Amino acid sequence: GAGVSQSPSNKVTEKGKDVELRCDPISGHTALYWYRQSLGQGLEFLIYFQGNSAPDKSGLPSDRFSAERTGGSVSTLTIQRTQQEDSAVYLCASSLRKATLQETQYFGPGTRLLVL
Amino acid sequence: AQTVTQSQPEMSVQEAETVTLSCTYDTSENNYYLFWYKQPPSRQMILVIRQEAYKQQNATENRFSVNFQKAAKSFSLKISDSQLGDTAMYFCAFMKLLNYGGSQGNLIFGKGTKLSVKP
Repeated sequence: GAGVSQSPSNKVTEKGKDVELRCDPISGHTALYWYRQSLGQGLEFLIYFQGNSAPDKSGLPSDRFSAERTGGSVSTLTIQRTQQEDSAVYLCASSLRKATLQETQYFGPGTRLLVL
Repeated sequence: AQTVTQSQPEMSVQEAETVTLSCTYDTSENNYYLFWYKQPPSRQMILVIRQEAYKQQNATENRFSVNFQKAAKSFSLKISDSQLGDTAMYFCAFMKLLNYGGSQGNLIFGKGTKLSVKP
C-alpha cells in the first residue's frame, strides 16, 4: 500500500543546469499533479495529467519548465537552465478521479530543490 | 479566478485545548470542494478533512471539524483536544467542480497557518 513517492528527496544544483524530478503516483490513480511550494508561500499549481488527455499546463511559470507522464504512471518534471528563484519544494500528488467522490489528492514527500 | 485567504500566519494552543483556524475564499462558482491539509516538518501533506459545497452538514473527522458558511465563503477548522502531534502548517484549499461533475483538477491553496501545540 505504497503512497506517492518522489525522488530525489533533496537536490542541489548550480544555476544554469537542468534538473529532473521524479514522481511515482499511487497505483491505479489516473490523475497526477505537480505543485511548487516556495519559502513562506502556499502551494502553487504547475501542471496536471488526467489519463490520456492532454495535460493542463496552465500553471507552468515559464517555458523552462516541462513535464511528462509515461505510460500513465510515472511523471518527470524537468527544469532547464535553473535559476535561483526556482529553489523550492516540488510536490507531486495523485488522485483516483474515477468519480466525483474520489477527487482527494494524496501528496508525496516532495523534492527540495536548491539552486546555487 | 478563485482565491483562498488564511488570515492567521501563526497560532498556538495549549495541549488539550481547542483551537480554530480561519479560511475564507472568493469564488463565483456554486459547486466546489474545500479541504484542509496538514503539513508537519516532514513535508508530507496529509488530508485532514474535506467538505462538498452542496452539503449543508459540516464535515467532522474525530477531533477535527469544520464550520462551513457558504454564503459567507468561510471554511474554518476546529481542532478539539489538541495534541502535540497536531503541530504543523495547516493549509486550506479549494477545488472547482465542472458542470458535469468532474473537478477542475488543481487545488488552490491559502498561504497556510503555522500551528504550535504547547505542552
